[in-house]
Amino acid sequence: KNQVEQSPQSLIILEGKNCTLQCNYTVSPFSNLRWYKQDTGRGPVSLTIMTFSENTKSNGRYTATLDADTKQSSLHITASQLSDSASYICVVSSYSSASKIIFGSGTRLSIRP
Amino acid sequence: DSGVTQTPKHLITATGQRVTLRCSPRSGDLSVYWYQQSLDQGLQFLIQYYNGEERAKGNILERFSAQQFPDLHSELNLSSLELGDSALYFCASSPYPAGGGGNEQFFGPGTRLTVL
Repeated sequence: KNQVEQSPQSLIILEGKNCTLQCNYTVSPFSNLRWYKQDTGRGPVSLTIMTFSENTKSNGRYTATLDADTKQSSLHITASQLSDSASYICVVSSYSSASKIIFGSGTRLSIRP
Repeated sequence: DSGVTQTPKHLITATGQRVTLRCSPRSGDLSVYWYQQSLDQGLQFLIQYYNGEERAKGNILERFSAQQFPDLHSELNLSSLELGDSALYFCASSPYPAGGGGNEQFFGPGTRLTVL
């Protein structure tokens, strides 16, 4: 069964600290993995996308890694800011059908001043 | 602002009623996706249309239906509403049928449906 599991479910850190969010998947065959940021009550916004051959990709203070062999990805946030408080969703796609785009349930990140 | 618009922003109705949610995709996007997000839950894919035709179906109830019109806007119809249908309903659009372009979808702001 195609699944995407994220951990932790929720995380609270102090402003300025770093954190790492995890995503494990069993989706096969694998096409790409994308991280979205979703502010409360709003639609998700794409942060990064990685294909099979990419190990790391950065977008400002966000750095995503992918290990296609172990089917694991991480999202590292550096020098967190209050505006980073949001849910972070890992999404794995398996070729051409929308029904094969699997969303993780997200990690809810809270940044405290 | 993603360029995807959804109306209404909020909708409050009673059990047994029928509602219609509307989505206008980004200019030029041919694919429209509908998702349901219940409280503290992940996004659940409901259905996708590409250029007016149903392209893929997810966990969409028989009480729910959708269509995409020639001008590419889409409507999600929810009927015989139940308390459990209360959720955020998101529409997303993409230029591609699926699989191309890395599957990036641009999400609208959502419609919050409350069924009392």
